[in-house]
Amino acid sequence: AQSVTQLDSHVSVSEGTPVLLRCNYSSSYSPSLFWYVQHPNKGLQLLLKYTSAATLVKGINGFEAEFKKSETSFHLTKPSAHMSDAAEYFCVVISGWGRRALTFGSGTRLQVQP
Amino acid sequence: SQTIHQWPATLVQPVGSPLSLECTVEGTSNPNLYWYRQAAGRGLQLLFYSVGIGQISSEVPQNLSASRPQDRQFILSSKKLLLSDSGFYLCAWRERQGGYTFGSGTRLTVV
Repeated sequence: AQSVTQLDSHVSVSEGTPVLLRCNYSSSYSPSLFWYVQHPNKGLQLLLKYTSAATLVKGINGFEAEFKKSETSFHLTKPSAHMSDAAEYFCVVISGWGRRALTFGSGTRLQVQP
Repeated sequence: SQTIHQWPATLVQPVGSPLSLECTVEGTSNPNLYWYRQAAGRGLQLLFYSVGIGQISSEVPQNLSASRPQDRQFILSSKKLLLSDSGFYLCAWRERQGGYTFGSGTRLTVV
């Protein structure tokens, strides 16, 4: 069994300041971890993924995430927020190949203030 | 290249009306296909899962059904919509490398 917890349902930052979106997971197996972004009325877009290679993963649009096994965390960061980053972000765990392999977090809505 | 198409993008339907959402995949064969729903303020919930033509697994009891008439076509249906069926519906395909590719989604509002 696996689970994903996104610790903040809403995060608000000012443009140009750092972004931190927190994600903790639990999994019986070595998981693959993903961050997806969903802009209003749009589908899901893959930001980045961790699949047991380098623990610091760089994604699109300046985002990166660090896999910390000891803390079971996969937090998403960006040094400087842009207005276009305002969206909902989902942390996702994939473990195994069964139909329950994919588990979504409940999402974090990021607001960027001018 | 491999792509996934989902339509319509938005839909407003009255209570009691039927529903048909379609999802097609290009560039792959025999994909594992999924329908997910995202209710307001929540993550995605798996509704249906298919490993092949005519093979559908239902994850939660509900007012919806799914069909897979062709290898790369996955359809989500309802005979009579309920208010609680409102939400954002996503079709997804499981890649051989292990990740998922999602369609652009359908925002359904039942009024």
